[in-house]
Amino acid sequence: AQKVTQAQTEISVVEKEDVTLDCVYETRDTTYYLFWYKQPPSGELVFLIRRNSFDEQNEISGRYSWNFQKSTSSFNFTITASQVVDSAVYFCALSDMEYGNKLVFGAGTILRVKS
Amino acid sequence: GAGVSQSPSNKVTEKGKDVELRCDPISGHTALYWYRQSLGQGLEFLIYFQGNSAPDKSGLPSDRFSAERTGGSVSTLTIQRTQQEDSAVYLCASSLTGQGRGYTFGSGTRLTVV
Repeated sequence: AQKVTQAQTEISVVEKEDVTLDCVYETRDTTYYLFWYKQPPSGELVFLIRRNSFDEQNEISGRYSWNFQKSTSSFNFTITASQVVDSAVYFCALSDMEYGNKLVFGAGTILRVKS
Repeated sequence: GAGVSQSPSNKVTEKGKDVELRCDPISGHTALYWYRQSLGQGLEFLIYFQGNSAPDKSGLPSDRFSAERTGGSVSTLTIQRTQQEDSAVYLCASSLTGQGRGYTFGSGTRLTVV
């Protein structure tokens, strides 16, 4: 069955610190997609990244980077030099062939960045 | 429209009343999803519409919940005889067809049952 685990319920950091949000997934399929979404206090979910199972290259976008490791079924998200505006709930999600186009979400990690 | 639009943004209702939540997806998006987010919880899948296919209702928590999508566009989620445990944010999302497509979410409807 599909499952996404975000073991960190809440993380607090001071501005300019680096922070890594963990995501571990389970799937029986060899073809799948992984996502990260950000939910700021306004409530709307914002798409950050999509990665397919055949592309294990790490990706960097500004202060954001993602580390995809199939060997450990992990898709971790790092924010470098965190800012107060990064404070939000971050969700990792999985879509696989068996589950069709539906996304299975992790429970989310609350990130609090203090100035 | 430019984004996924949901209405109302907030709804307070008395226990036992019926409510209707509306979602207007992005034009051209054939897939539409409803999720529920209870306080401090993750996102729970409710129902999925794809084109003219029969909807996937596997996530609906009880027969008090139903949804329809008219003309392949606007969707309405109906909750009958609301209960306090139905209080949550109901999120709608749409996407293009195809596995692995990211969703675009609406801002949600915050439902409070008193």
